[in-house]
Amino acid sequence: AQKITQTQPGMFVQEKEAVTLDCTYDTSDQSYGLFWYKQPSSGEMIFLIYQGSYDEQNATEGRYSLNFQKARKSANLVISASQLGDSAMYFCAMKMEYGNKLVFGAGTILRVKS
Amino acid sequence: ETGVTQTPRHLVMGMTNKKSLKCEQHLGHNAMYWYKQSAKKPLELMFVYNFKEQTENNSVPSRFSPECPNSSHLFLHLHTLQPEDSALYLCASSQVFSNDAISYEQYFGPGTRLTVT
Repeated sequence: AQKITQTQPGMFVQEKEAVTLDCTYDTSDQSYGLFWYKQPSSGEMIFLIYQGSYDEQNATEGRYSLNFQKARKSANLVISASQLGDSAMYFCAMKMEYGNKLVFGAGTILRVKS
Repeated sequence: ETGVTQTPRHLVMGMTNKKSLKCEQHLGHNAMYWYKQSAKKPLELMFVYNFKEQTENNSVPSRFSPECPNSSHLFLHLHTLQPEDSALYLCASSQVFSNDAISYEQYFGPGTRLTVT
């Protein structure tokens, strides 16, 4: 069965430093997609970054990059130069080969300290 | 309006009430979703609509009834809910193609915070 595991319930990072949020996944599909979403206290889920299983390059979007290690089945999110506005819940999600269903992890709460 | 909108943002209802949640997407997408987010639990997919047709019902109790009149609107009709149904209900939309190898992100609305008393 497909599963996403986020082992860090909560993380602290100092403003302007980089932080890595862990995500491991389990699937037998050959083709799949991995997503990261940010959920501030307001509740809205904001799409951050996407990595396809066949993409050879790690995805990057501004200060967000995805450290994709296919053999280890990990898709960690790296946020560089953390800002106070980055404080939120972060979810890793996976789309399987067929269908458009997303499976979400339990999330990691990130707190950025000034 | 842009993106995905949801109304109401907050709803308090008794166990015998009937209410509806509304979602509208302004992105031209062809798929819409309902998710439930309870405290300390992962996001749970409830329903999926592709091209206005329901393609997934994730074992959701019948007291939740979805309706998708067109590709831009999605409703969740609620009746005789239980206190454990209190949660944040999120709507999302995405663009899907017949070729599932193409994957597009889902865009979420701000959610409806539901409290069942």
